[in-house]
Amino acid sequence: AQSVTQLDSQVPVFEEAPVELRCNYSSSVSVYLFWYVQYPNQGLQLLLKYLSGSTLVKGINGFEAEFNKSQTSFHLRKPSVHISDTAEYFCAVTSWGFQKLVFGTGTRLLVSP
Amino acid sequence: DAEITQSPRHKITETGRQVTLACHQTWNHNNMFWYRQDLGHGLRLIHYSYGVQDTNKGEVSDGYSVSRSNTEDLPLTLESAASSQTSVYFCASSAESSGSNEQYFGPGTRLTVT
Repeated sequence: AQSVTQLDSQVPVFEEAPVELRCNYSSSVSVYLFWYVQYPNQGLQLLLKYLSGSTLVKGINGFEAEFNKSQTSFHLRKPSVHISDTAEYFCAVTSWGFQKLVFGTGTRLLVSP
Repeated sequence: DAEITQSPRHKITETGRQVTLACHQTWNHNNMFWYRQDLGHGLRLIHYSYGVQDTNKGEVSDGYSVSRSNTEDLPLTLESAASSQTSVYFCASSAESSGSNEQYFGPGTRLTVT
């Protein structure tokens, strides 16, 4: 069975500071990994995804994530956050041949001035 | 532009009543999913469908049912609403693939069972 752990339920950060949101996964087979963002009162939208190839994946809004197979991690980073990045961020995993996603419990990013 | 819509956006109902939440997508996607979102649990899969006449149970399917009579719609029915089903419900769709395609989410339905 696959699972995702997002250890930080909430991450407070000041505007223009760097941020890292942690995601660890568990799977016995090769994985596809996703980060989704949910702005208040909205559905989820894709930030970025890792399928194969380069372990550093760039997404929208200046976010990037690095796939680390040995540490089974897929941490999300941004070098300088904006107030508008305040949202909930979800990490998700699936595998080849599976079309269902398994989501983590989410990390709320709170950016303050 | 293609989209995925949910209705109603907000619903208050009483315990024991049957409730149906609508989901409609114009992406022409084969795959459709229903999730519930609760604090501390993230998104949990209720039911999913890989095509017309196909439905499958997710991890929290008790008390819920779905049917898929066409590509565009996957309504979610709560047979007898319970207070434990108070939640925010999201519908999503994706193109058929090996798993690499992203899911597109609707705006959600906030359901309160009193």
